Formats: sequence, structure tokens, C-alpha cells
Amino acid sequence: KAGVTQTPRYLIKTRGQQVTLSCSPISGHRSVSWYQQTPGQGLQFLFEYFSETQRNKGNFPGRFSGRQFSNSRSEMNVSTLELGDSALYLCASSPDTQRGETQYFGPGTRLLVL
Amino acid sequence: DQQVKQNSPSLSVQEGRISILNCDYTNSMFDYFLWYKKYPAEGPTFLISISSIKDKNEDGRFTVFLNKSAKHLSLHIVPSQPGDSAVYFCAASRNSGYALNFGKGTSLLVTP
Repeated sequence: KAGVTQTPRYLIKTRGQQVTLSCSPISGHRSVSWYQQTPGQGLQFLFEYFSETQRNKGNFPGRFSGRQFSNSRSEMNVSTLELGDSALYLCASSPDTQRGETQYFGPGTRLLVL
Repeated sequence: DQQVKQNSPSLSVQEGRISILNCDYTNSMFDYFLWYKKYPAEGPTFLISISSIKDKNEDGRFTVFLNKSAKHLSLHIVPSQPGDSAVYFCAASRNSGYALNFGKGTSLLVTP
């Protein structure tokens, strides 16, 4: 089975711009979660989508949003970029057929905001 | 606030010896715990997990121990190999949900 894929892998934007990141989960996985990794804060949960609905949300401002399509692919959008948004954004997918399932991560999108 | 803590940022172990990575948590509602391994420029790779109804789970060279009363878990790698050199993250979730709370990671170096 192919793993979780994320595009693009690297991105450079300037302050005030917006960005959209894409994630394709493992085939058959219905849950997609997004995380932000920074040196200071570590890995932090952004949000989780299941069946095109946001099911869980972390403590991030409204500039961070996402959506999931009927084929389980997900996109994440960050508007009005700030320097502090520079981070590795990771997507993870899970089958969501039972409790306590493992999440499988993609390679991430490295975003640099100048 | 950091609900999952890995207090050792780094650990160096000789090849063949045991590596012990530690993790503490503060939220007693956590009921599912995982360890991930991460290489630079890659996403975390799942290693091993444990449910709160167990106190030990083994998978080959990797064993995770859970001490609920102390809110502590540890990952044992025996024997350690140079390929195990990576950053190890401890993660926890409540109600077996999907919002994983991560520690800040421990960088393990296994020397020949």
C-alpha cells in the first residue's frame, strides 16, 4: 500500500500571503489529522477530519483551516501568514474502524515564511 | 501546557546495549500511548503502542512499559543498533481519539 503523501514538500511564502497544503491518506483510511512541528513547541495537533467533517480541533487561531473531500484527501489552508507559521506541517491518516488506532504520518510539508 | 513530557533531550548508547527512553504525562484521562521514531526530513514512523489496560507491550527489540500510577511510560530497545539513531517521540491520546499529544522528543544516538 502506498503511504501518506503530502504536496508540496517545500514551500516559501511571504508574510500576509496564504497557503494551501495537500494530503492524500493511505487507501482505505478515513481519518486525516494535521500537526504542526516547530523547534520550540514540538508537534502540536491542528485538527482532524473524518467523512468530510472536522471532528477534533487543537488550539490554533482561525487563520488555520482545513477540509476533507469525499475521497478522504484533505487540504489545509493558512491565511495571512506570519513568520511564526514557519514549520513542518505533518498529515497523518488512520482507518478509524476501532478505538485506539495508530496514525500513520506523511513526510510533511516544510513551510518557510519570509 | 505540555501534557506529555520527555525530559531527556538526548541519549547516547553503545551498540548492543539497552536504550531506555522515558516519558511522563500529566493528564490521567489519557488511555492510549504510542512511540514514534523520526528521521530528519521525514514524518514520524509508528513504532509501538500500548493501551492503558496493559502495563507492557513487546514487539521484537522494542518493549513499552506503562506505569499508570506514576503516569510514566518507557521504551526499551534491546539490543540497540546504529540504525536506531533517530528522534523518538512519545504521544498520548484520551478516549482513544485522534488528537495525539506529543512530547518534544529524545534524540537517541547509538554508537558502534
